[in-house]
Amino acid sequence: SQKIEQNSEALNIQEGKTATLTCNYTNYSPAYLQWYRQDPGRGPVFLLLIRENEKEKRKERLKVTFDTTLKQSLFHITASQPADSATYLCALAFPLYNQGGKLIFGQGTELSVKP
Amino acid sequence: EAQVTQNPRYLITVTGKKLTVTCSQNMNHEYMSWYRQDPGLGLRQIYYSMNVEVTDKGDVPEGYKVSRKEKRNFPLILESPSPNQTSLYFCASRGQVYYEQYFGPGTRLTVT
Repeated sequence: SQKIEQNSEALNIQEGKTATLTCNYTNYSPAYLQWYRQDPGRGPVFLLLIRENEKEKRKERLKVTFDTTLKQSLFHITASQPADSATYLCALAFPLYNQGGKLIFGQGTELSVKP
Repeated sequence: EAQVTQNPRYLITVTGKKLTVTCSQNMNHEYMSWYRQDPGLGLRQIYYSMNVEVTDKGDVPEGYKVSRKEKRNFPLILESPSPNQTSLYFCASRGQVYYEQYFGPGTRLTVT
């Protein structure tokens, strides 16, 4: 069955540094991959989508890479700020013709940015 | 404001007492789904709906029912709740451009 693994440990970094979060998957060829942010007690919020034929996507201070050979996505936050502290989830998508394109979520990586 | 709403936000109930968690979206999305989130297990899909009157099981459907009579509403029904259904539940609808999921605020359910 499909398996998704994110950084198992919480990530602690200093303000201003770049945070890099990892998402690895097995037994799967996703149509696209998404990253979400989740704050405690709240629903996840969509950040970025990257398709299987794209290598990199950027949005403001965020950058996502997608390597289908390594079966890995990296999520970078540059010039990190304490407000970036949250749990970040990666999600892999089935093609739309397969179960409506459902998402499978990783367990998330908790990021803490210290001032 | 585009949003997904859920009610109630918190619910404590007893084993076997039927309950319904409501979900509504105002974005005219066709696809909606329910998830539960448990520590160490992450978000798991319970049921999804491609459109009105079209629903299907997700990964953990046992003990749950859903209905989709209107496009905007997708209630989750627990006919006979059990303690192992204690969890944080999220409803979500999906956008048509980036297929992004819009999540509701969550319902924290405790079954004693």
